[in-house]
Amino acid sequence: AQSVSQHNHHVILSEAASLELGCNYSYGGTVNLFWYVQYPGQHLQLLLKYFSGDPLVKGIKGFEAEFIKSKFSFNLRKPSVQWSDTAEYFCAVNAQAAGNKLTFGGGTRVLVKP
Amino acid sequence: NAGVMQNPRHLVRRRGQEARLRCSPMKGHSHVYWYRQLPEEGLKFMVYLQKENIIDESGMPKERFSAEFPKEGPSILRIQQVVRGDSAAYFCASSPDRGYYEQYFGPGTRLTVT
Repeated sequence: AQSVSQHNHHVILSEAASLELGCNYSYGGTVNLFWYVQYPGQHLQLLLKYFSGDPLVKGIKGFEAEFIKSKFSFNLRKPSVQWSDTAEYFCAVNAQAAGNKLTFGGGTRVLVKP
Repeated sequence: NAGVMQNPRHLVRRRGQEARLRCSPMKGHSHVYWYRQLPEEGLKFMVYLQKENIIDESGMPKERFSAEFPKEGPSILRIQQVVRGDSAAYFCASSPDRGYYEQYFGPGTRLTVT
């Protein structure tokens, strides 16, 4: 069965700092990869996705992620965070052979101090 | 264009009672997914439904839990004889069809069992 791990449970940053959140998955076949964000009191929103093609994916709000197939990783980055980036971030994987379900990582809570 | 709707947003039940959680997918979407988020954990897949069909219920507990998505009306996740361990946030997501891997999430229902 596939699994997804996110390396950090909590991250605290100051505004303008760079952010990188790690995500690794265990599945050898073809995958679709997602990062979702949940702002306080809101529902999950899609930040970015990777299906195929250029492994460097740009999403909304200045976020990007890089798919490194050899490392089974899909790390999320933002060069300069803002206070409004305070949220919980979830990495999710869909293994195409397993159907449409998403397997989520445990989430990383990011707190950006003003 | 309304997003995925879930109600109620908060539900309190005493042990042994039944909980019914409702999900109306986005307009034009005929595929619904239910996920559960236990405290301090990521989202876990429960069930995937299409109108009048259960496609994948591999994540559903074997007892007390059931789901349906009738031809008319919302999808319903039903939990019979709730126990304290059922306390969690239950998220519904929808997609337009089977080959579309991106899922759109609702705000969730937070179930508290007292």
